[in-house]
Amino acid sequence: AQTVTQSQPEMSVQEAETVTLSCTYDTSESDYYLFWYKQPPSRQMILVIRQEAYKQQNATENRFSVNFQKAAKSFSLKISDSQLGDAAMYFCAYRSADGNEKLTFGTGTRLTIIP
Amino acid sequence: SAVISQKPSRDICQRGTSLTIQCQVDSQVTMMFWYRQQPGQSLTLIATANQGSEATYESGFVIDKFPISRPNLTFSTLTVSNMSPEDSSIYLCSVQNQANEKLFFGSGTQLSVL
Repeated sequence: AQTVTQSQPEMSVQEAETVTLSCTYDTSESDYYLFWYKQPPSRQMILVIRQEAYKQQNATENRFSVNFQKAAKSFSLKISDSQLGDAAMYFCAYRSADGNEKLTFGTGTRLTIIP
Repeated sequence: SAVISQKPSRDICQRGTSLTIQCQVDSQVTMMFWYRQQPGQSLTLIATANQGSEATYESGFVIDKFPISRPNLTFSTLTVSNMSPEDSSIYLCSVQNQANEKLFFGSGTQLSVL
């Protein structure tokens, strides 16, 4: 079974600075997808970024980018120019590419933005 | 992106009663998913709901406790039956966009059981 580990329960960053959230996972599969979701106090789960395991190029979405290290099974999220609206819980998630759409989530990292 | 409406947004229920949560999507989707997020915890998949067949439940979740309906490709319900305080959680429905394989979530139902 796949597992996802987020070793940082809480992180904080100064507004406009850069922060990196860590995620590692364990799988025996070669093809899969990795995600970062953001959950603000509104409870809405918002997709931040997605990475296909077969792609070597790291995904980027505006101020959000990932460092995907397949051999190390590491998938960190970098947030540049942090904004107050980035404050939320961030969940790393894994999904197999075998047709099973189930997401396996990490335990989350609470990100605080310091004005 | 898919627009997902989930109702109710929150409820406070008495022990032993049942609550049905509705999830409506603005487009047809093959699979809908129901997750539970216990206080301070991550999300755990309860079951996958396919239209026209019985839901597939994950380990630790059973149909008698969490019956699911999926009458068409845009709608699903999850019932939390015979509730106890341990069922106090956020329940979220999720769908996959077939075009880009991204998963989208409803805004969740905050359930408190007294």
